[in-house]
Amino acid sequence: DAGVIQSPRHEVTEMGQEVTLRCKPISGHNSLFWYRQTMMRGLELLIYFNNNVPIDDSGMPEDRFSAKMPNASFSTLKIQPSEPRDSAVYFCASGSDTPGFNYEQYFGPGTRLTVT
Amino acid sequence: GNSVTQMEGPVTLSEEAFLTINCTYTATGYPITLFWYVQYPGEGLQLLLKATKADDKGSNKGFEATYRKETTSFHLEKGSVQVSDSAVYFCALRTMNSGYSTLTFGKGTMLLVSP
Repeated sequence: DAGVIQSPRHEVTEMGQEVTLRCKPISGHNSLFWYRQTMMRGLELLIYFNNNVPIDDSGMPEDRFSAKMPNASFSTLKIQPSEPRDSAVYFCASGSDTPGFNYEQYFGPGTRLTVT
Repeated sequence: GNSVTQMEGPVTLSEEAFLTINCTYTATGYPITLFWYVQYPGEGLQLLLKATKADDKGSNKGFEATYRKETTSFHLEKGSVQVSDSAVYFCALRTMNSGYSTLTFGKGTMLLVSP
């Protein structure tokens, strides 16, 4: 299994530009999570999906952030317009609530976003 | 609500020293599972070990942690650390939220092991 795949691994953009981060969860998992990690705030849950449906987006910081999961194998996190304070490492994780699975989350390698 | 508190780092040790990283939690209802994740530089979080019920001990790669319901704790220990153990360690609590499973993470504790 390839694990959770995220792209790009690094993104440098200018303030005001649109940024799209991509995630491919592990096949068979029915839950997907987007996190943001910074030195100041640590690891923050932004949004999670279950069976492609957004369940809790209370962690999304502002309307500039949006996330979609059009199918079980793909999700995007979009920031429009981006700001320097959005600079962080964004992680995608997947897991399963199906009985018999371990309920643990498997993390991707992250996307390091720098907004100048 | 749910929360996880970890000791602040960095924890600095010499190789072969004994390691303890404290973790305590508060949970609405009965915590389902407790985890320790590890993050090596430049990588995502990886599951290190877990415990699914009170008095259960999780172990992996020489690390151990026991789910203590009476003290609401899940302290991470290792008898002899190696330089390669240098990383950030996260304690996490699995809870149910409106019927869905989520993890509540602590802020992480950095471990630095010197030769």
